[in-house]
Amino acid sequence: DVKVTQSSRYLVKRTGEKVFLECVQDMDHENMFWYRQDPGLGLRLIYFSYDVKMKEKGDIPEGYSVSREKKERFSLILESASTNQTSMYLCASSDQRDTQYFGPGTRLTVL
Amino acid sequence: AQSVAQPEDQVNVAEGNPLTVKCTYSVSGNPYLFWYVQYPNRGLQFLLKYITGDNLVKGSYGFEAEFNKSQTSFHLKKPSALVSDSALYFCAVRDRAGGYNKLIFGAGTRLAVHP
Repeated sequence: DVKVTQSSRYLVKRTGEKVFLECVQDMDHENMFWYRQDPGLGLRLIYFSYDVKMKEKGDIPEGYSVSREKKERFSLILESASTNQTSMYLCASSDQRDTQYFGPGTRLTVL
Repeated sequence: AQSVAQPEDQVNVAEGNPLTVKCTYSVSGNPYLFWYVQYPNRGLQFLLKYITGDNLVKGSYGFEAEFNKSQTSFHLKKPSALVSDSALYFCAVRDRAGGYNKLIFGAGTRLAVHP
């Protein structure tokens, strides 16, 4: 079975802090994605990556950056957290037929 | 641009009755369509997908979906609902803009199955 893990299930940070969200997949997938999920808005793509050290902006990249130093690991970085970044963050990796497999999510609260 | 719409925020159904969760799509070219389910405080789980072939696609947990090209729909169905099917359901379509394959998700439909 594909396994995607995320470093934290719940996280509470203060405004202005730098926040790192880590995601690891164990299926040797090349493609990885970061989404945020908000009620009534579904999933919105923040960034994605198709190879090591490669990144592409999604629909809502502002205020975020990413890092992919190794194939299995894709990190989302909030350079200076703000209250409007309070959300559920979901990481996914996909196989070559575009089926995405999701981690359990990180619920981030920014105070 | 590719898009999907889930016209119902919530669907209520009695246990044992058939259920339908609706999804319509707008794509250029042939659509790749997906359904995912999200249980409380969990990530999304893949249920099924349509790429080509039979219009009726069978997936996990007894779910199936019917691809209808003329109505541009991909409704999720189950013949007999269980209380444990209560969850948030997302429809998605593959988007190839910019040469990269991504999924575009609908806003989600909350399914409530009552005993």
